[in-house]
Amino acid sequence: AQSVTQLDSQVPVFEEAPVELRCNYSSSVSVYLFWYVQYPNQGLQLLLKYLSGSTLVKGINGFEAEFNKSQTSFHLRKPSVHISDTAEYFCAVSSFSGGYNKLIFGAGTRLAVHP
Amino acid sequence: DSGVTQTPKHLITATGQRVTLRCSPRSGDLSVYWYQQSLDQGLQFLIQYYNGEERAKGNILERFSAQQFPDLHSELNLSSLELGDSALYFCASSRGRDRVGTEQFFGPGTRLTVL
Repeated sequence: AQSVTQLDSQVPVFEEAPVELRCNYSSSVSVYLFWYVQYPNQGLQLLLKYLSGSTLVKGINGFEAEFNKSQTSFHLRKPSVHISDTAEYFCAVSSFSGGYNKLIFGAGTRLAVHP
Repeated sequence: DSGVTQTPKHLITATGQRVTLRCSPRSGDLSVYWYQQSLDQGLQFLIQYYNGEERAKGNILERFSAQQFPDLHSELNLSSLELGDSALYFCASSRGRDRVGTEQFFGPGTRLTVL
């Protein structure tokens, strides 16, 4: 069965510092990976996705993620964060099993950017 | 703004009651998904409808039901409510039935509080 593990529940960081949010997945079939962001009191918004091709994926708001098949990871990075990046970030895996396409989310990582 | 709308934004009710949550998908999207987000369970997939028909079921309780109407809006019905049903309920939509890797667009959610 597919699963997603976000290794950090909370990540505090200072403004303009780099950040990495870690995500590991388990799947026995082809995977398609997503990062979603949830700003306070809002729904989820897609940051980026990996379907195939280049393992380095660029998303919105300066975020990027690298798909590493051997380490089954899809870590999210940003070289310099802003206060406005404070939000909850969800890694998700999409795969076809049990007759339908499932989107399975990790538990989330709360990014807190401090001035 | 994802284009997915949900009403109401907040709902406060008592145990044993029944409520209906409403979702309108993005224009042209045929699939609607319902998710429950709670502190202890995280973000869990409940059910998917495609063009009026139930497509996939996740961790949906028997007390919960959903439907998708001819105009493609969807309703999630929660009955015999318990304290543990307090959560944020998200609706998402996508263009097709369930092609793997398809992006889902999320609404702002309905916060349900059961007292």
